[in-house]
Amino acid sequence: AQSVTQPDIHITVSEGASLELRCNYSYGATPYLFWYVQSPGQGLQLLLKYFSGDTLVQGIKGFEAEFKRSQSSFNLRKPSVHWSDAAEYFCAVGNNAGNMLTFGGGTRLMVKP
Amino acid sequence: EPEVTQTPSHQVTQMGQEVILRCVPISNHLYFYWYRQILGQKVEFLVSFYNNEISEKSEIFDDQFSVERPDGSNFTLKIRSTKLEDSAMYFCASSEGYLTDTQYFGPGTRLTVL
Repeated sequence: AQSVTQPDIHITVSEGASLELRCNYSYGATPYLFWYVQSPGQGLQLLLKYFSGDTLVQGIKGFEAEFKRSQSSFNLRKPSVHWSDAAEYFCAVGNNAGNMLTFGGGTRLMVKP
Repeated sequence: EPEVTQTPSHQVTQMGQEVILRCVPISNHLYFYWYRQILGQKVEFLVSFYNNEISEKSEIFDDQFSVERPDGSNFTLKIRSTKLEDSAMYFCASSEGYLTDTQYFGPGTRLTVL
């Protein structure tokens, strides 16, 4: 069965600092990996996704993520965080049938001025 | 930009009552999904729907749950007899295709069962 672990429940960074959110997955086949962001009162918005090819993927809002098969990881990064990035971030893995996403527990990001 | 919409935003019901949560997926999308998030827990897959039938469902999606696409635009989740543990945020999502296609999520319906 597929699973996703986000080890950090809360992270606080200063505005302008770099950010890395960790994600580890467990899936037997080639994973389809996603990062979503949820702002208060909003739905889940896709930041980026990985299916194949270049292991470094670029997303919206200046985010990127790197797929590392050897570490079963798909960490999300941003070089300089803005106050508007404060939100909850979810990593997810899709199954081969493409029917379901399995989400991690989420990481709540707070940004200090 | 097209978006998935859900109504109501908040539904309060008594235990044992039936509720219907409504979703309007993005118009050219063919695949539809329901997820839920109990407060403080992970977002969990409930069911996926394509071509007027369920294509996959989780263990959570038992006989108390049903889904329907009653017309060309709405997608509904019915809970027949609500339990306290059904209290959660319910998210609808839709995608144009499957596998590599993005699932677009609605803002959610918060269901409170008293």
